[in-house]
Amino acid sequence: QKEVEQDPGPLSVPEGAIVSLNCTYSNSAFQYFMWYRQYSRKGPELLMYTYSSGNKEDGRFTAQVDKSSKYISLFIRDSQPSDSATYLCAMIDPRDKIIFGKGTRLHILP
Amino acid sequence: EAGVVQSPRYKIIEKKQPVAFWCNPISGHNTLYWYRQNLGQGPELLIRYENEEAVDDSQLPKDRFSAERLKGVDSTLKIQPAELGDSAVYLCASSLEGVHEQYFGPGTRLTVT
Repeated sequence: QKEVEQDPGPLSVPEGAIVSLNCTYSNSAFQYFMWYRQYSRKGPELLMYTYSSGNKEDGRFTAQVDKSSKYISLFIRDSQPSDSATYLCAMIDPRDKIIFGKGTRLHILP
Repeated sequence: EAGVVQSPRYKIIEKKQPVAFWCNPISGHNTLYWYRQNLGQGPELLIRYENEEAVDDSQLPKDRFSAERLKGVDSTLKIQPAELGDSAVYLCASSLEGVHEQYFGPGTRLTVT
């Protein structure tokens, strides 16, 4: 079992819809969780950083962490075509190393 | 503020040839990372530097890969000799010491033929 599992998609949703992106993980020692957005032929860009269970909101983005279920989510409200990208979840292990998921390709249809 | 700078952006080489990638981190960022990202995968850490010291190189294939960070600023990652399986995007990232948020450069896309 991989440490971080993420559905690669692609996920296509109409403009304006709420998008839900998810990752599961196996290592209960992970304490820090991040979401990165990566546009084609660009480096990943940090979107959200959380370190506890619960929700964190930033504009149209909400990151949710459920440590008891080892499950994290990213919600995007009022999705826009410019949100079309690959979304990578990432977690910090006890050795301070970041472990990335495979990424989910998201397409927002105008 | 300038971001992480990498060069070249693209490189095509024949197998068995050497290749080198260069990274200039964000000013003031003591921690520098090199990652490899294969198509359809997330980045995988190759090496992490704290200033000049390589503190985690456990994932670096040391038979053919080498890296250096002289003076604790710029860094170079080298592959010699390259193999077909080395085709990937090589990403450099930097962060402030002790801070988890990493900032990535645009990457170097390597194609080995």
